Amino acid sequence: DADVTQTPRNRITKTGKRIMLECSQTKGHDRMYWYRQDPGLGLRLIYYSFDVKDINKGEISDGYSVSRQAQAKFSLSLESAIPNQTALYFCATSDIGRNEQFFGPGTRLTVL
Amino acid sequence: AQRVTQPEKLLSVFKGAPVELKCNYSYSGSPELFWYVQYSRQRLQLLLRHISRESIKGFTADLNKGETSFHLKKPFAQEEDSAMYYCALMPGFQKLVFGTGTRLLVSP
Repeated sequence: DADVTQTPRNRITKTGKRIMLECSQTKGHDRMYWYRQDPGLGLRLIYYSFDVKDINKGEISDGYSVSRQAQAKFSLSLESAIPNQTALYFCATSDIGRNEQFFGPGTRLTVL
Repeated sequence: AQRVTQPEKLLSVFKGAPVELKCNYSYSGSPELFWYVQYSRQRLQLLLRHISRESIKGFTADLNKGETSFHLKKPFAQEEDSAMYYCALMPGFQKLVFGTGTRLLVSP
């Protein structure tokens, strides 16, 4: 089945470290998204990409960067992790003209 | 500003009781609204969208533009409905704005 996968699934790191979270999809979708989920705050959009050459900031992009290496891959980087970036991170995809988003299983990141 | 408000963090009901999860939105244009659900240890998935006007797993949601609401309802809750429910607004360009979520707990 076509899927959205995320690696790693869990990561513990220290303040100041550089971290990369990866997202891959076999759905053939052009559009990809990164969200973070925090208790009581729901999901907030970090970055999104509508195709390989398109990168857009979301609601909370400060402290994050992304790379769209191919249609199927969208990576999220924390250049210098800080404790308030501890959260559950979700990648999602969607197809052009269809508004349903398909989510990955999430990456739980803890910054000590 | 585009915003989705889910006033209840937790809704606890007994099996067989009616359920209503509230969602209000603020958006000046014509909204597209969704309910997403996250069951325990599963990924977030679409439950229903207002344009399809369908019932999924017994849940329905009606868009009320006058009250800017999109409440999710089910007449008889089941234990397997226990999950986290997110209302989401798509104001355009396929970006979703999520509410803060409501945890539904259905007790036997």
